[in-house]
Amino acid sequence: GDSVTQMEGPVTLSEEAFLTINCTYTATGYPSLFWYVQYPGEGLQLLLKATKADDKGSNKGFEATYRKETTSFHLEKGSVQVSDSAVYFCALGGSARQLTFGSGTQLTVLP
Amino acid sequence: DAGITQSPRHKVTETGTPVTLRCHQTENHRYMYWYRQDPGHGLRLIHYSYGVKDTDKGEVSDGYSVSRSKTEDFLLTLESATSSQTSVYFCAISDRAGDTEAFFGQGTRLTVV
Repeated sequence: GDSVTQMEGPVTLSEEAFLTINCTYTATGYPSLFWYVQYPGEGLQLLLKATKADDKGSNKGFEATYRKETTSFHLEKGSVQVSDSAVYFCALGGSARQLTFGSGTQLTVLP
Repeated sequence: DAGITQSPRHKVTETGTPVTLRCHQTENHRYMYWYRQDPGHGLRLIHYSYGVKDTDKGEVSDGYSVSRSKTEDFLLTLESATSSQTSVYFCAISDRAGDTEAFFGQGTRLTVV
């Protein structure tokens, strides 16, 4: 079945550092890929998405490129801010009627 | 923000008691989902619905049942709560299956003592 493997956390960075959170997936067919963010005490909200190979999703300075050859969708940001501290989830929308989530990566950005 | 409301937001209950969590949406989305979130496990699907009275099991459905008698409401019931069901429960909605954005509620923190 579909699965998502996400970089283990927690990740702690200084403000303005470069961020990469790795995500790889296993799926049949051509899934859509998502990154969701969860701020403390809140539900998940969509950060960005890509629906086909080589698509790049971007939002709020975050980017991720759908790489079918490496089955990856790594999240990157060039300069993180304290306000980016949150839990980040990689997710896959495949042939099933549901999203499959990774285990989440806790990011803490220090001033 | 998508119109999705979970109730209650917090609940403490005793082992062996039944518990029902409610998810209400105002978006008329066809698909509704119940997830639980636990440290180290991310979000795991409990049950989902693809229409009124149409439901199916997810990855961790044992001990849970659901009902959807109206488009806007999706109920999750723990028939006899156990401590292993202490978790944060999230409802989500989407207008298409799988390949489109899902909108999440604020979550319900359930503690079974």
